[in-house]
Formats: sequence, structure tokens, C-alpha cells
Amino acid sequence: DAKTTQPPSMDCAEGRAANLPCNHSTISGNEYVYWYRQIHSQGPQYIIHGLKNNETNEMASLIITEDRKSSTLILPHATLRDTAVYYCIVRAISSGSARQLTFGSGTQLTVLP
Amino acid sequence: EPEVTQTPSHQVTQMGQEVILRCVPISNHLYFYWYRQILGQKVEFLVSFYNNEISEKSEIFDDQFSVERPDGSNFTLKIRSTKLEDSAMYFCASRGDSRTEPQHFGDGTRLSIL
Repeated sequence: DAKTTQPPSMDCAEGRAANLPCNHSTISGNEYVYWYRQIHSQGPQYIIHGLKNNETNEMASLIITEDRKSSTLILPHATLRDTAVYYCIVRAISSGSARQLTFGSGTQLTVLP
Repeated sequence: EPEVTQTPSHQVTQMGQEVILRCVPISNHLYFYWYRQILGQKVEFLVSFYNNEISEKSEIFDDQFSVERPDGSNFTLKIRSTKLEDSAMYFCASRGDSRTEPQHFGDGTRLSIL
């Protein structure tokens, strides 16, 4: 699976959009981008994933660049409860595979009141 | 929304004792995983399980570890003879059959070895 690079920390004001970047310049055609977050030693929580098109769900939006070498997770109106470590993970998709997730250090997002 | 449940939330065990961590994956999920996270470190993969057998395992998952799906609902991780360095959060995850479906995690068991 391709390596990802994320800033170690970011701050965001409550109510503002949080934009979390991720670089995955070695991503290949069968690799998806997944985002998870971990709130203070709870289990990682799935947020969103995508291949090449922008995706949106009730939690966030995922913007993937046209060349797929980077992506941005957007939390449109951050709240204090969004303070967490956010992980960008690239995972190859293959039929019948139980491929694990490889977690990096992620980005510690702190939402400030 | 269905979720992965893990018990106990906290387990304290003497070094050298056996411990079993339990997980109830999401119903109808087919792939099962164990991860661990030592305090202050990254989440690390231990083992994946599919079709009643281990699919992949990491270097961490040595002969002291075993996994089992004893019935249609539970998925367990056993550590045969615990060591101090086994102290960590242990997370269970499961996912369905779709190739792109994400893994869903439980809230973990904190294992403390004394």
C-alpha cells in the first residue's frame, strides 16, 4: 500500500471548516483513500473513502486531486467533539483479500472554542 | 447503527497468565481483524481472519497469540503467557464482503499486565 504523509498537528476554530491534507504521491490505480479518526484512545472510527471522485457523506467531504497524488478531508463545521487524530490510509483493493489497514501517525486536529 | 463490541473494556492480568479478549463483530461481516496500540504509539495490525482461518498476520503475532471464532458471533484473541510488553489497547475490527467496504472498529480492551 502507498505511503501517506500528513502534518502532525492542526488547529481549527469551532464552527469553521477543517481541511486536513494528505499526500500519497505513490498511489496506484487500484488503491483507495480511506480516512479514519481516533478520539482519545477510542477505537478508530471510519469517516469516508474514495478512489478518484470527490465523495461526501454526513460526516465529511473527501476531495481527491485529479492526479490522485493528494487528498483533503473537509469537516464543514468543526465542533469540539471533532478533536481527534485523523488518519489518511491508502489501501489496495483486491478480491477476496483481508488486507489490513496500515496506520501512520496521523494529524492531531484540535478544535478551539 | 450496528457496531463492533468488545469485552472486557479493561483487563488486568499477572505476567505469565493467559488472557482472552472477546469481540462480537457486526452481524453478517465476513472479515475479522485484531489490532493493538501501545500507549502513545501507532495502531498496529496483528492478524486477519476469514473463512475460519488466519489470512494474514504480522510479526507481532507470534506463537503466544491465537485467534478463534468459536461460534457464529464471537471472535477471540488469546495471549497464552502474557508479558509486560503486551500491555496495550487491543482493537477488534470487522468488515463485510464488498472489496471496498471499510473496516469498523470496536472501542477496544485495555490490557494491563502487572
